Amino acid sequence: GENVEQHPSTLSVQEGDSAVIKCTYSDSASNYFPWYKQELGKGPQLIIDIRSNVGEKKDQRIAVTLNKTAKHFSLHITETQPEDSAVYFCAASFTGTYKYIFGTGTRLKVLA
Amino acid sequence: DAGITQSPRHKVTETGTPVTLRCHQTENHRYMYWYRQDPGHGLRLIHYSYGVKDTDKGEVSDGYSVSRSKTEDFLLTLESATSSQTSVYFCAITGGQGMNTEAFFGQGTRLTVV
Repeated sequence: GENVEQHPSTLSVQEGDSAVIKCTYSDSASNYFPWYKQELGKGPQLIIDIRSNVGEKKDQRIAVTLNKTAKHFSLHITETQPEDSAVYFCAASFTGTYKYIFGTGTRLKVLA
Repeated sequence: DAGITQSPRHKVTETGTPVTLRCHQTENHRYMYWYRQDPGHGLRLIHYSYGVKDTDKGEVSDGYSVSRSKTEDFLLTLESATSSQTSVYFCAITGGQGMNTEAFFGQGTRLTVV
């Protein structure tokens, strides 16, 4: 079945630096790749997503890139701020199943 | 915020007892999901539903059953709770109109089996 690997499991950066989280998926039929942010004690919330017909998408300080050939996608956060500290999850899905398979999560710590 | 309510939010139960968790949505979304979250494993799909009385297994379905008798409610039952089912459980919903879209999550239920 579909599998999503996510790295690193923890990431510490200085405030103002960039952070990159990488995910690899196994099912070449996957065509939707969302990223979620989970703050302590809360459910995950979508921060950005990308579909397989697009190579890159940006929303202010966050961006996602997709390499379909290599079957990996990455989250980029620039100019990190303390409020970016959270757990981030990537996921993969494809039209028709509506099953969302998640990575194992990355705990991001932004040091002031 | 999407209208998703999970109940209870916290529960402690004894090994061998049945437990039912409830997910209630007010968005009239077709798809509903139950995930469990454990350290080192992320979010793992237990069961999901693609309509009233239509459900399917996820990757960690053993020991769990689900039911959906109304669009708005999706119940997760642990028939005989075990310590390995101690976890945080999240319900999620999606609209699923043709293309996969954002999944909205509830606040989670922390279940402890002693």
